[in-house]
Amino acid sequence: AQSVTQLGSHVSVSEGALVLLRCNYSSSVPPYLFWYVQYPNQGLQLLLKYTTGATLVKGINGFEAEFKKSETSFHLTKPSAHMSDAAEYFCAVSDGRTGGFKTIFGAGTRLFVKA
Amino acid sequence: DSGVTQTPKHLITATGQRVTLRCSPRSGDLSVYWYQQSLDQGLQFLIHYYNGEERAKGNILERFSAQQFPDLHSELNLSSLELGDSALYFCASSVAEGKPNTEAFFGQGTRLTVV
Repeated sequence: AQSVTQLGSHVSVSEGALVLLRCNYSSSVPPYLFWYVQYPNQGLQLLLKYTTGATLVKGINGFEAEFKKSETSFHLTKPSAHMSDAAEYFCAVSDGRTGGFKTIFGAGTRLFVKA
Repeated sequence: DSGVTQTPKHLITATGQRVTLRCSPRSGDLSVYWYQQSLDQGLQFLIHYYNGEERAKGNILERFSAQQFPDLHSELNLSSLELGDSALYFCASSVAEGKPNTEAFFGQGTRLTVV
């Protein structure tokens, strides 16, 4: 069965500092991996996704993530945090076997950005 | 604005009651997904419909049911409500038949409070 583990329910960084949100997945087949962001009182919005090909994926708002098969990881990074990045971030995995959209989400990591 | 519309935004009801949540997908999207987001369970996939047909089921209780109508809007019916059903219910839509690498667009959710 697929699963997603996000390390750290809360992460706090200073404005301008590196953002690193950790995600490890479990899947017995090549996974499709996603990062979504949820701002207060909003739905989820796709930041980036990995399907096949290049393992370094660039997304919106300066975020990127690297798929590392050997480490079963898909960590999200941003070189310099901005106050507007404060939100909750969800890592998600789905695989090619499911006929329906049974994407599994991690528990989420809330990012705090200090001035 | 994702283009996915959910109504109502907030709903307060008593235990034992039944409610209906409504979702209008983005124009042209044939797939609708329902998710439940609660503090203790995180974001849980409930059910997926494609062009009126059920495609996948997740952790959906028997007291819950959904359907997708010919105009592609969807309704999630929750009955015999319990305090533990209090949560944020999201609808998402996508154009494809739930292919695993498909981006889903989320509505802003319906916050259900059972008292």
